[in-house]
Amino acid sequence: KNEVEQSPQNLTAQEGEFITINCSYSVGISALHWLQQHPGGGIVSLFMLSSGKKKHGRLIATINIQEKHSSLHITASHPRDSAVYICAVSKAGGADGLTFGKGTHLIIQP
Amino acid sequence: DARVTQTPRHKVTEMGQEVTMRCQPILGHNTVFWYRQTMMQGLELLAYFRNRAPLDDSGMPKDRFSAEMPDATLATLKIQPSEPRDSAVYFCASGVRAPQDTQYFGPGTRLTVL
Repeated sequence: KNEVEQSPQNLTAQEGEFITINCSYSVGISALHWLQQHPGGGIVSLFMLSSGKKKHGRLIATINIQEKHSSLHITASHPRDSAVYICAVSKAGGADGLTFGKGTHLIIQP
Repeated sequence: DARVTQTPRHKVTEMGQEVTMRCQPILGHNTVFWYRQTMMQGLELLAYFRNRAPLDDSGMPKDRFSAEMPDATLATLKIQPSEPRDSAVYFCASGVRAPQDTQYFGPGTRLTVL
């Protein structure tokens, strides 16, 4: 079983819809990261969080440490949000490298 | 603006050949990571350095892969000999104080081993 699980694997939605991507993990962590990978392949860090909630523009990330669960929300989705969204964790205990989920492939149709 | 650079961006080689990939981390970043992405496995950690010292290379096949940081501005990942199963995109990332910090990814090197 993967230590980081994401759902859904694929998501197609209409422009303007509210999007939620979920991430569950089974290990102790020091931080959780949400990354975005565009069709060209580049990876951009969206959020790093260890508690609570962060917001950047139309993106919101939340984490529940007790339930070992995080969500990434996109409000007023737009076709340019189409990308692969990847959840990753830094494991507790000083291991600094990331352990990744398989990603959620999001397509926003106009 | 500051960014991680990787060379080459694309590499096609034949099985058995040596491959060297290079990464220039963002100036001032003291932690450098090497990740590999394949369709089957997704993204996985190969190795990482802090202040040029290797801290973890448990994700690397030791018999054929090696990673070094000759100086603070250069990290290298070498495969010798390369095999078709090494075909993947190799990403370098850097940060100031991981894990409590954002990691900045390079554009990746797409390696194809024939």
